[in-house]
Amino acid sequence: QLVQSGAEVKKPGSSVKVSCKASGGTFSTYVISWVRQAPGQGLEWMGGIIPPFGRANYAQRFQDTVTITADDSTSTAYLELTSLRSEDTAVYYCARSLSTNGWYDVVIWGQGTLVTVSS
Amino acid sequence: DIVMTQTPLSLSVTPGQPASISCKSNQSLLHSDGKSYLYWYLQKPGQPPHLLLYEVSSRFSGVPDKFSGSGSGTDFTLKISRVEAEDAGVYYCMQSIQLPLTFGGGTKVEI
Repeated sequence: QLVQSGAEVKKPGSSVKVSCKASGGTFSTYVISWVRQAPGQGLEWMGGIIPPFGRANYAQRFQDTVTITADDSTSTAYLELTSLRSEDTAVYYCARSLSTNGWYDVVIWGQGTLVTVSS
Repeated sequence: DIVMTQTPLSLSVTPGQPASISCKSNQSLLHSDGKSYLYWYLQKPGQPPHLLLYEVSSRFSGVPDKFSGSGSGTDFTLKISRVEAEDAGVYYCMQSIQLPLTFGGGTKVEI
């Protein structure tokens, strides 16, 4: 189970940090990805991380405004979004991979965190 | 980036009838390990997506056998043998052979 932090309302230009905690266990070497879904739109992979190793991979379009980190000791992953714009209004999901072999996919999903960017 | 194209965009199905969704990629999803890294998800309103099939045709835990997947290379199909009301929602395909992971645009299934 992945449990995400609650909804956020932010001003344009500000930052937000969303958390994702593995309840009842550890991340082990699963890949933790973040996926965005704008209102009424489809799914977009933003990036992912293998918590014990700490190095994240990003989709190119998010490289400048997104930082994915993880604290393996607390089994919590984080998604930080900076320079927020109204277009960043979306539900952000964390998701875990199928296996612990380092292969990137998304299998177990968190409940989602709505981030609303509005002045 | 690999582009995933789903058809149709929407589908209206009578309960008990079959349904089929197509997903095409602009690059082969066949890995040198012999697996094709194509996944299918169902998202119901207000919920996160949940995984139905992985590696084209392997059903995830708890997924009923009315869901089946086929295809290879760049052309894939999800079939529902007998649609029920609980199968309504948006279906997405996704590839994971190459980063970034990319999703199809979704197929809305109405019952």
